[in-house]
Amino acid sequence: AQKVTQAQTEISVVEKEDVTLDCVYETRDTTYYLFWYKQPPSGELVFLIRRNSFDEQNEISGRYSWNFQKSTSSFNFTITASQVVDSAVYFCALRPNFGNEKLTFGTGTRLTIIP
Amino acid sequence: EAQVTQNPRYLITVTGKKLTVTCSQNMNHEYMSWYRQDPGLGLRQIYYSMNVEVTDKGDVPEGYKVSRKEKRNFPLILESPSPNQTSLYFCASSLTGTSGSYEQYFGPGTRLTVT
Repeated sequence: AQKVTQAQTEISVVEKEDVTLDCVYETRDTTYYLFWYKQPPSGELVFLIRRNSFDEQNEISGRYSWNFQKSTSSFNFTITASQVVDSAVYFCALRPNFGNEKLTFGTGTRLTIIP
Repeated sequence: EAQVTQNPRYLITVTGKKLTVTCSQNMNHEYMSWYRQDPGLGLRQIYYSMNVEVTDKGDVPEGYKVSRKEKRNFPLILESPSPNQTSLYFCASSLTGTSGSYEQYFGPGTRLTVT
């Protein structure tokens, strides 16, 4: 069975601070994909990143960066110099490489950026 | 514009009154899926379809039905809605393949309240 754990239910930081959202996953598959989605107050799901289990390189996109560590089954997400527009619920998700392409989601982390 | 559409976006109904939430995608995707989002539980898969006339249960299928008569449409049917089906529903679609690497596109969500 697959499982994604986001232990941080809610985080609040002051604007311009850096913040890291944790994601730990469990899977027996040797090949899989990891995702992060953002859900702003308007409710839609916004795709942020997809990472193949074979690719452990960290990725940076503007103020966003992702740290994938297969040894600890973690895929953490860092926002640098946070802004009020970053306030949202963030979901980490796991998908197998074959069969039902179901995304197994974590329970989400609600991030509030205080102006 | 590539998109997944859902209708209605908001619905308030009463227990036992049959309803259908429509989902349509214009990307010629084989794979479609329904998820429900509940506080503290993240998103959970209800049903999925690998192609026309091919559907299967996800993690929480009780009380729901689906059909896939056309590639672009994947309606979610609640034959006798109950208050515990009050939730935010998302439809998603993607290409399928042996790699599983395709991005899953989400609709805007349907907020359903059953009284």
